[in-house]
Amino acid sequence: QSALTQPASVSGSLGQSITISCTGTSSDIGGYNYVSWYQQHPGKAPKLMIYDVSNRPSGVSNRFSGSKSGNTASLTISGLQADDEADYYCSSYINTFTLVVFGGGTKLTVL
Amino acid sequence: DVRLVESGGGLVQPGGSLRLSCAASGFTFSTHSMNWVRQAPGKGLEWVSYINSGSTTIYYADSVKGRFTISRDNAKNSLYLQMNSLRVEDTALYYCVRPMATREESFDYWGQGALVTVSS
Repeated sequence: QSALTQPASVSGSLGQSITISCTGTSSDIGGYNYVSWYQQHPGKAPKLMIYDVSNRPSGVSNRFSGSKSGNTASLTISGLQADDEADYYCSSYINTFTLVVFGGGTKLTVL
Repeated sequence: DVRLVESGGGLVQPGGSLRLSCAASGFTFSTHSMNWVRQAPGKGLEWVSYINSGSTTIYYADSVKGRFTISRDNAKNSLYLQMNSLRVEDTALYYCVRPMATREESFDYWGQGALVTVSS
């Protein structure tokens, strides 16, 4: 199973909004509403930011939102803050036996 | 608070074996499925293996199938990963990961990882 496709890097200025895309196929993203997004700061473990395409776990800022259209999911971060600078990974359920596939990750730089 | 603490990482030669452990606390371990996810240095995340709460259902990524074995001891609140026939490409930080209670494909708690280096 190939990894989901994410842009290697995105950037945005403080206070602006950015969107990170995650492209898969009809066998993963397009087939299920089970897309998750993770934030990872350098040297830290990933943190779940979005699950089920657009749901936020308790404690995650509402500046983070998720959506999906066809085989592509998106993470939007509004009102960029310095601490948002991190790597972001998408994931999708594939099937019972493989469970999940991750994207290659996107490095967000806050200017 | 939920806590996952991995141990057992280290340097091993290609073809060697290593056993990772994960000590869980702060939640009812016996009712949760668990996973191992790895991250090669400077690379992305890769799901490795899944085990359900009762050890009756187990899955592996194709890249480790036949070489790695996941197991758990609910009495000891511990998760394990036995890694045999290790390859250079298995070098990674191995995370012990707990999924959400209602979404097994979304991982809400991660350990800090155990570093496995496979090199001659």
